[in-house]
Amino acid sequence: GAVVSQHPSRVICKSGTSVKIECRSLDFQATTMFWYRQFPKQSLMLMATSNEGSKATYEQGVEKDKFLINHASLTLSTLTVTSAHPEDSSFYICSARLTENIQYFGAGTRLSVL
Amino acid sequence: EDQVTQSPEALRLQEGESSSLNCSYTVSGLRGLFWYRQDPGKGPEFLFTLYSAGEEKEKERLKATLTKKESFLHITAPKPEDSATYLCAVQARGGSYIPTFGRGTSLIVHP
Repeated sequence: GAVVSQHPSRVICKSGTSVKIECRSLDFQATTMFWYRQFPKQSLMLMATSNEGSKATYEQGVEKDKFLINHASLTLSTLTVTSAHPEDSSFYICSARLTENIQYFGAGTRLSVL
Repeated sequence: EDQVTQSPEALRLQEGESSSLNCSYTVSGLRGLFWYRQDPGKGPEFLFTLYSAGEEKEKERLKATLTKKESFLHITAPKPEDSATYLCAVQARGGSYIPTFGRGTSLIVHP
């Protein structure tokens, strides 16, 4: 299957700092990528849809100024957690849409804010 | 609003003990139902897509089936390496085609 690379896999940061997470589709071009958040034993919660060359579409309740998304090319989307706080600690997962029916997921990023 | 309910929440099996996982859904016109496998600390790995009632798909020890209200993931003679969380998601016709995920079933297979 197609490969989506997500980096870093794990990050520990101090409260108040910003963290950038990268999501790359390695063998196909993705005009649409998704960012999810997952809490322990919970399902994937869609945070935003990242569209190449345009602004991201955020889900209700997700702060766009807190979670900055940039989709500058057809193979790269980034999520920046600005001024991170302990409550932002979570598992963040990206996916890249190959077709309307098929999306491939990255391996996820475990963020721990101290 | 599209809803996906997976059961059981957790399942423990002995190696070789076959069983089924359930995914019940309500959606305003099903475009597709997806099954994923997720290992701890990893992103979901695509397993199957089902599009219409009566459809079945198989991969190794896994077989997914679909009715108008639910899908089953049958695991035949499971092995410890089948231990993972299995996620179900549905995609509705029209709109943004963004799938709605269930909470998953955590499967542990003991040797």
